Formats: sequence, C-alpha cells, structure tokens
Amino acid sequence: AQSVAQPEDQVNVAEGNPLTVKCTYSVSGNPYLFWYVQYPNRGLQFLLKYITGDNLVKGSYGFEAEFNKSQTSFHLKKPSALVSDSALYFCAVRDGGVSGGYNKLIFGAGTRLAVHP
Amino acid sequence: NAGVTQTPKFRVLKTGQSMTLLCAQDMNHEYMYWYRQDPGMGLRLIHYSVGEGTTAKGEVPDGYNVSRLKKQNFLLGLESAAPSQTSVYFCASSYSLGQDISYEQYFGPGTRLTVT
Repeated sequence: AQSVAQPEDQVNVAEGNPLTVKCTYSVSGNPYLFWYVQYPNRGLQFLLKYITGDNLVKGSYGFEAEFNKSQTSFHLKKPSALVSDSALYFCAVRDGGVSGGYNKLIFGAGTRLAVHP
Repeated sequence: NAGVTQTPKFRVLKTGQSMTLLCAQDMNHEYMYWYRQDPGMGLRLIHYSVGEGTTAKGEVPDGYNVSRLKKQNFLLGLESAAPSQTSVYFCASSYSLGQDISYEQYFGPGTRLTVT
C-alpha cells in the first residue's frame, strides 16, 4: 500500500538559514510526489511536484525538492528561510492503486515550519 | 476564476443533526474530492467523484454521503452528526488524465465543523 511519512512534527529555523522538511514514501511503481503548504485558516496550496525527469524540482516561493529514489525520499528545501514561510507543510503521493489513481492523493501527517526572526 | 469554493465556512451542529456541505469549482475539472483534516493525521479522503453522476468511497467514508449531480458541484452530507465528525473539511478538484496531465489537486478554503 502507498504511504507517506513526515518524521518531524515541527521544524524550527532562523530567518536566512536554509531549511529542510523531510518526507519519505512507499509506493508500488513510479512515484508521483507533491508538496503542499497550508497557512493558518486557509486551504492547501500546491508548491511543487515530481512526476519524472530531473531529481531536483523547483516550485513556488523559492522552494525546491530533491527526489531520491534509492532513499525513497522527497525532501523540501529552501536556501534562505523567511518568517513568512512559517506554515504547515504536507507531502503527498499519488495513489495509483487498482482504480488507476484518479489523482487521489495520500498525505503525510504534516510538518509545522516555524521560522524565527 | 473563483477556483474551488466551499460553503459554509463554519458550522456548529448538535449530535444527531444533519447538514450538507457544498463544494463548487469553475475550472471544468472532472475529478472532485472531499477530505477531512484532523490534528496529527494529515488529510484523509472521505469520498471522491470521477465525473458527473459518479461517486466512490475513500479511506474514511462511514457516516458521510455525497452527490455529484452537476459537474461543478460536489456535496457532502452528514445524516446524523457525531462528535467524532468534528473536523475541518476540504474539497478539492483536479483535471482528469484525458483533460490534462498536471495531476495536482486544487483545494477550497475549508469548512470548520464542530459537533457538540
């Protein structure tokens, strides 16, 4: 069965420092991976995705993610964190399954990112 | 475009009451989804629809019903609310593979439901 793990409930970073939010996955077949961000009292916003191609994927707001097949990881990164990056981040994998997927997503539990001035 | 909208934004129900949450999208998406978000559990899929007139169960369907009478609308119903259904509910939509291969889902702003 497909699954996603985000091992950290919270990540604390000083403004200007690089940040990493970790995600590991388990899928049968090729993984389709996503990162979403949720600001307080808002819906989820799409950040980036890996479908195929380059292992380093660039997305919105200066975020990028590195796909590592051997480690089954898809960590979210940013070279220089901003206080405004503070939010809840979700990693997700497309649920291929027997239904053919229908773009259903399986989400991790989420990681709260706190960027301190 | 408004994207994905949800009504209402907030609701308080008493145990045993019923209600319907409405989701609307104006992007001509074939696929629509209802999730619930609970602390520490991420988002869990309740029901989904792959086209007008079709619905299917997701991971946590018990206690909920859905309908997709029009392509742009996806309704989530609670026939007899229970405190365990206190949660934040999100609707999402996406293109079908025949429409586009972008794969990502677009989310509404959510409905915060409290059942007392």
